[in-house]
Amino acid sequence: KAGVTQTPRYLIKTRGQQVTLSCSPISGHRSVSWYQQTPGQGLQFLFEYFSETQRNKGNFPGRFSGRQFSNSRSEMNVSTLELGDSALYLCASSLGQKTTNYGYTFGSGTRLTVV
Amino acid sequence: GQNIDQPTEMTATEGAIVQINCTYQTSGFNGLFWYQQHAGEAPTFLSYNVLDGLEEKGRFSSFLSRSKGYSYLLLKELQMKDSASYLCAVTGAGSYQLTFGKGTKLSVIP
Repeated sequence: KAGVTQTPRYLIKTRGQQVTLSCSPISGHRSVSWYQQTPGQGLQFLFEYFSETQRNKGNFPGRFSGRQFSNSRSEMNVSTLELGDSALYLCASSLGQKTTNYGYTFGSGTRLTVV
Repeated sequence: GQNIDQPTEMTATEGAIVQINCTYQTSGFNGLFWYQQHAGEAPTFLSYNVLDGLEEKGRFSSFLSRSKGYSYLLLKELQMKDSASYLCAVTGAGSYQLTFGKGTKLSVIP
């Protein structure tokens, strides 16, 4: 079955612009989580959506937002980009149930560079 | 809050055994994951521990002690392709988010 698909793979934006990233989860998975990965901070949780509802939110400013559609696809948006937003943004999908001994499946990520 | 510590880097020889430790402090605990991430690629799932003890899966084993807030990943018969970052992550009680350590970069040398 198809894995987690993230688009685009690479993106270059200018400070002050906004950006939208997309994630299509594995078919049948209803939970989508977003993470930011940087060399200094590692992987940090942004937010998690299940059945179009945000269930968890990480400690990021309000410039970071997301949503999930009825087909479980998710988008995240970053407004007023700053240089520090340059990172690899990873999306992970899961069934969304508490007993998950198979882990979350990650997409290949979107590499965002802010100049 | 949650705090997860693991060594930054490790080096081991091909064919050897290496143990990567992870200690965590959490306000609640549901389970602990280990992921492997090759440079420029997505993290891939290795193991999940929710109860104390050792889980073995081929060349990889993972151990958990909830009372000590401690886990390790054991890699046997190391191969060059095992050179990667190994990420320890925990989920809190009632939470669906993964809190990651900063990862251990393992270099396997001939």
